[in-house]
Amino acid sequence: KAGVTQTPRYLIKTRGQQVTLSCSPISGHRSVSWYQQTPGQGLQFLFEYFSETQRNKGNFPGRFSGRQFSNSRSEMNVSTLELGDSALYLCASSLYQGNTEAFFGQGTRLTVV
Amino acid sequence: GDSVTQMEGPVTLSEEAFLTINCTYTATGYPSLFWYVQYPGEGLQLLLKATKADDKGSNKGFEATYRKETTSFHLEKGSVQVSDSAVYFCALSNGNKLVFGAGTILRVKS
Repeated sequence: KAGVTQTPRYLIKTRGQQVTLSCSPISGHRSVSWYQQTPGQGLQFLFEYFSETQRNKGNFPGRFSGRQFSNSRSEMNVSTLELGDSALYLCASSLYQGNTEAFFGQGTRLTVV
Repeated sequence: GDSVTQMEGPVTLSEEAFLTINCTYTATGYPSLFWYVQYPGEGLQLLLKATKADDKGSNKGFEATYRKETTSFHLEKGSVQVSDSAVYFCALSNGNKLVFGAGTILRVKS
């Protein structure tokens, strides 16, 4: 079956702009989590959505937000982009809430200039 | 809070050498433990997992045993190949999110 699909793969944005990233989970999976990966901070949890509700949130500012649709697809939005938001954003799909066994997409590489 | 500590890399080995990447964790309760692998330009792939003490996860020749007494989950492989070159992440989940170690770069030379 198809894996986790993230679009786009690469993005270049200017400081102050906003960006929306998309994630389609594995068919049948209802949980989608987002992670930020940077060389300095490593992999950090952003938030988890399950059944269209945010269930858990990491320590990121309110500029980072997300949502999940009835078909379990999820979007993540970052407003007022800063240079430090440049990162690989990874989406993880799980059958159940809580990341008990998560499968990752290839990620979206965001560069803020 | 929960945390994962991995041995620093890079680890450089010759083909067919034995691999060990150390991983220890700090967590409340009984977390599930995972190893993920990341190839250049790619996302994370789940390599193996263990959900309770003394469980052994295994896949593609890699193994790791959940040791609660030493809070460890070391990754081992008996004979590495050049294609195993990647970054390996140890992670735990306590039912709400994955907490990752910093990652260990493995380089295998032919």
